[in-house]
Formats: sequence, structure tokens, C-alpha cells
Amino acid sequence: DQQVKQNSPSLSVQEGRISILNCDYTNSMFDYFLWYKKYPAEGPTFLISISSIKDKNEDGRFTVFLNKSAKHLSLHIVPSQPGDSAVYFCAAFLISNFGNEKLTFGTGTRLTIIP
Amino acid sequence: NAGVTQTPKFRILKIGQSMTLQCTQDMNHNYMYWYRQDPGMGLKLIYYSVGAGITDKGEVPNGYNVSRSTTEDFPLRLELAAPSQTSVYFCASSLRTNQPQHFGDGTRLSIL
Repeated sequence: DQQVKQNSPSLSVQEGRISILNCDYTNSMFDYFLWYKKYPAEGPTFLISISSIKDKNEDGRFTVFLNKSAKHLSLHIVPSQPGDSAVYFCAAFLISNFGNEKLTFGTGTRLTIIP
Repeated sequence: NAGVTQTPKFRILKIGQSMTLQCTQDMNHNYMYWYRQDPGMGLKLIYYSVGAGITDKGEVPNGYNVSRSTTEDFPLRLELAAPSQTSVYFCASSLRTNQPQHFGDGTRLSIL
């Protein structure tokens, strides 16, 4: 049961244009969503997050949008740069009182920026 | 600024062999995690720890064991390697469970 889904395995975008990566989830109880970026032979690195009480969070060129009614979030990268070429993972968790929150990851989208 | 360090980076094992994947972090994080990533899949949680002496199973714990004797170290043990355990293994840590996790660079393990 894949609770966090990234339906596009790959995406190619021209340098300077906007990259939009999408993520859908099935568990309406998720409280917090994160995006991680992964280069080959490296571990994932945290990029940006959003709480379920917000619908937008922005950090420089990166903006995450959350649509709770559609159970959908997206990551916008503007403008796209060659260094943005990587695999992007969407992840989510439920906040609990027990301190045992666990991340659920999507399968990732490989973004390629074309110079 | 080492962060999370995993060793080895690569390893080939024969079926039935055992090995320990090492993970250490220098950020004084209480929470540590082991994930595996199979081709075309997301990361799946194997085991996690909320502090020294406390561990718990994740989504895919079968065939693995962990221990947490210190805050810094969280080794993952494979007792009887099987081809299904061929994967890339990532260790991660976080200050609290609702904080972003910091990942090591992974161990690529092949079981032949």
C-alpha cells in the first residue's frame, strides 16, 4: 500500500524554465511533508518542508504547495539550473505524542535539466 | 563536519554470509534510522532507534538486527545474507522525530 506516490518517474526541463514535481498521498492524517534531493552515490538531503496547516512554503528558488482537499503537493523550482538535476523524493509523516513519527517516502522523480 | 558516516561504501557477500553495516553520527542526535532503497522504489524503513538502548522495527525488519549501545552508533547486522537483501542501505539521524533527517551516503550491498 503506497501511501505516498510520485507518478512521474522522470522529468526533463530546459534550463531557466520552471520544474514542477508532483506528489500524491492517500493518508489524510499526515501532518508534515518534506522534499528530499538525491544525487548519485550520495544520501538524500533535505530540501524544503511544509506543515499541513499551510498551503505554501517558499525558500529561494524552491516553493512547495499543498492542496489538502486533493491530497496533493508539488515542488516548484524556478528558475531551473543544471545543478538541480537529481532524484527528488517526497515524504510525509504523522505527528504523534509518542515520539515515534516515521517518514513514508515516495518512489522518487528523476529531474534532468537540459542546458 | 562529518554528519552521518556509513561504512563500507560497497560490499559483495555470498549467500549465507553475515556482515555488519556501520553507521555513526556526530550531531548528538537521539533518533537514528536504517532504510533500504531498491531500484525504482522509495526508501523503506528497516529499524529505528529513539535513543541508546532502545530500538524498534520498521516496515521491513525481517533478516536484520540492530543495536544501539551509544548515542553515536547504530550498526545494522545481516545474519544470513539472501539475494533479496541486495540493495542500497541508508542510515539517517534526526534531533527529534518531527525534524528533517540527515542521511549518510549509503552502502551498496550485493548478495551473490
